[in-house]
Amino acid sequence: GAVVSQHPSRVICKSGTSVKIECRSLDFQATTMFWYRQFPKQSLMLMATSNEGSKATYEQGVEKDKFLINHASLTLSTLTVTSAHPEDSSFYICSARDSGNSPLHFGNGTRLTVT
Amino acid sequence: GEDVEQSLFLSVREGDSSVINCTYTDSSSTYLYWYKQEPGAGLQLLTYIFSNMDMKQDQRLTVLLNKKDKHLSLRIADTQTGDSAIYFCAESRMMNRDDKIIFGKGTRLHILP
Repeated sequence: GAVVSQHPSRVICKSGTSVKIECRSLDFQATTMFWYRQFPKQSLMLMATSNEGSKATYEQGVEKDKFLINHASLTLSTLTVTSAHPEDSSFYICSARDSGNSPLHFGNGTRLTVT
Repeated sequence: GEDVEQSLFLSVREGDSSVINCTYTDSSSTYLYWYKQEPGAGLQLLTYIFSNMDMKQDQRLTVLLNKKDKHLSLRIADTQTGDSAIYFCAESRMMNRDDKIIFGKGTRLHILP
């Protein structure tokens, strides 16, 4: 089945630094990938839709200058949290689908802690 | 309402069946999904059902879909301790010409010995 790999699984950084999270589709090409954020004991909040070769589409309330998304190839999307603050600490999960209506497959998530 | 809704908690004795219910809102949803999330992990696709189906069974999992009532359920037969997790119901929904997946808040399944 479709596999999505996400790295790193856990990262701790200091306030003001930037952190990059990678999302790769391992055995399929994904023209679209999705980035979600999950707060403790809550559901997933869609942050943005990452489109290969074009700009990401951000959900309302998500700062595009803070959460930079780059979808450089059909198998890789990156999310960079710039100038991280403690309130950015969260669980970030990427997902991808290999065709229009197929199910989403998720990475294992990245737990970001900003100190 | 706008949300995908599901109860937050369910406790079941080991060996019994678990039934997790969900209501969704978009009658034009093409796919409905069940995902499982174990502590500290991402989401694992358990099963999904196309909107023109009423039922889908896969080993211990049975999904029932009632389109008229926009109600989806997941039945886990012979519940094991390894089934303890959060289960998310999700629907595909067209929003601004994009096909997006909208998740419920998740049902935490607790297995009693």
